[in-house]
Amino acid sequence: QVQLVESGGDLVKPGGSLRLSCAASGFTFNDYYMTWVRQAPGKGLEWLSYISSSGTTIYYADSVRGRFTVSRDNARNSLYLQMNSLTAADTAVYFCARDGWGLAFDFWGHGTMVTVSS
Amino acid sequence: SVLTQPPSASGTPGQRVAISCSGSSSNIGSYTVNWYQQVPGMAPKLLMHTDKERPSGVPDRFSGSKSGTSASLAITGLQSDDEADYYCAAWDDSLNGYVFGTGTKVTVL
Repeated sequence: QVQLVESGGDLVKPGGSLRLSCAASGFTFNDYYMTWVRQAPGKGLEWLSYISSSGTTIYYADSVRGRFTVSRDNARNSLYLQMNSLTAADTAVYFCARDGWGLAFDFWGHGTMVTVSS
Repeated sequence: SVLTQPPSASGTPGQRVAISCSGSSSNIGSYTVNWYQQVPGMAPKLLMHTDKERPSGVPDRFSGSKSGTSASLAITGLQSDDEADYYCAAWDDSLNGYVFGTGTKVTVL
């Protein structure tokens, strides 16, 4: 069955960096586009980034462009999100998800918590 | 968000509830709409894709529609299990990115 498992969330100081990972299994990873979405405590969903199956096409939300970098390793069935220059506003649960139907995200991980605080 | 939803909706068991999602020509007017259901503390779940298509396993009590720059999700035969937050979403040309709606909390009275 399809599984997405995020990891790497942690408590980090403002200005710090963190790298999130998303391990995929149960499907042919290199056939699918993938995305990262976050949810701040008590807030709604915020789309962050989207990467094509080959990794050659990437989109970012304005809120993270220039600070976050998405990448994937199809040989390792893994998706990554490198986050730099973190601020308190980046405190959230971060989800990875699979694009099943052209921007419709059909499978989601359980999320990993990132807390930015001094 | 550029996609506006009412903050809350409610109904008694068995009733029909409808959630609106208002956008513009750069998002809903040009791209298909998807809907997600999220129980607090859990990951979102895809409820509807391509405006009105239900993924496998989603009961036909849920239906989607779109007209112009607005979309709607209807839940008929409301059940206690339907208590959750619901989000519409679509691609936006102006932002060159994906956008989620503001979210609607559905309460079963």
